[in-house]
Amino acid sequence: AVLSQPSSLSASPGTTVRLTCTLGSGIEAGLDRVYWFQQKPGSPPQFLLRYTSDSDKQLAIGVPSRFSGSRDDSASARILLISGLLSEDEADYHCMIWHNNGWVFGGGTKLTVL
Amino acid sequence: EAQLLESGGRLIQPGGSLRLSCVVSGFRVNNNYISWVRQAPGKGLEWVSIIYSGANTYYADSVKGRFTISRDASENTVYLQMNNLRVEDTALYYCTRSDYWGQGTRVTVSS
Repeated sequence: AVLSQPSSLSASPGTTVRLTCTLGSGIEAGLDRVYWFQQKPGSPPQFLLRYTSDSDKQLAIGVPSRFSGSRDDSASARILLISGLLSEDEADYHCMIWHNNGWVFGGGTKLTVL
Repeated sequence: EAQLLESGGRLIQPGGSLRLSCVVSGFRVNNNYISWVRQAPGKGLEWVSIIYSGANTYYADSVKGRFTISRDASENTVYLQMNNLRVEDTALYYCTRSDYWGQGTRVTVSS
């Protein structure tokens, strides 16, 4: 797969959760910008942030700073960090990159807040 | 604030055609890229097609040759013409600029 995400993840309120989006072996590690979306049941995806590097990132308007991006190039991974986890953060999270003039999405991670 | 509003989805038989519309407010479609993204029931997001500000268009392999994306700048609307529909095209179709998303329009392909 071009992009891989764990299908599910669970975490406790107040903790920091790390959602990963791993680039497939055929994907250039130099592809920089990743987009993250949150989707709650019955609603369209909501843009959370885009992340290229710590010096090139954008948090969507209205999204709390508890949400942030990161990258682990050694693991070809792009990361969404959610700190101070709240029950309202329970949702599906999707990553997306630009690839071959179009978009590619990861399969999405269902985050459960226990 | 920008808004996107999709319409045109319905129940249709395999082999049929549909045209989806995405009416945009808050920005000009001819100055931005707009994608169609679909989500089959219980599944993840799948990119379908994109039209760039320069009018270049691109498609996912799964729809290439069957779907056509276009826009009407005077109506500030983006369209997705879907021909030779298949059961596997059943999904909720969203139009999006990545930072703004519509509510989606449902397409069901079934006999």
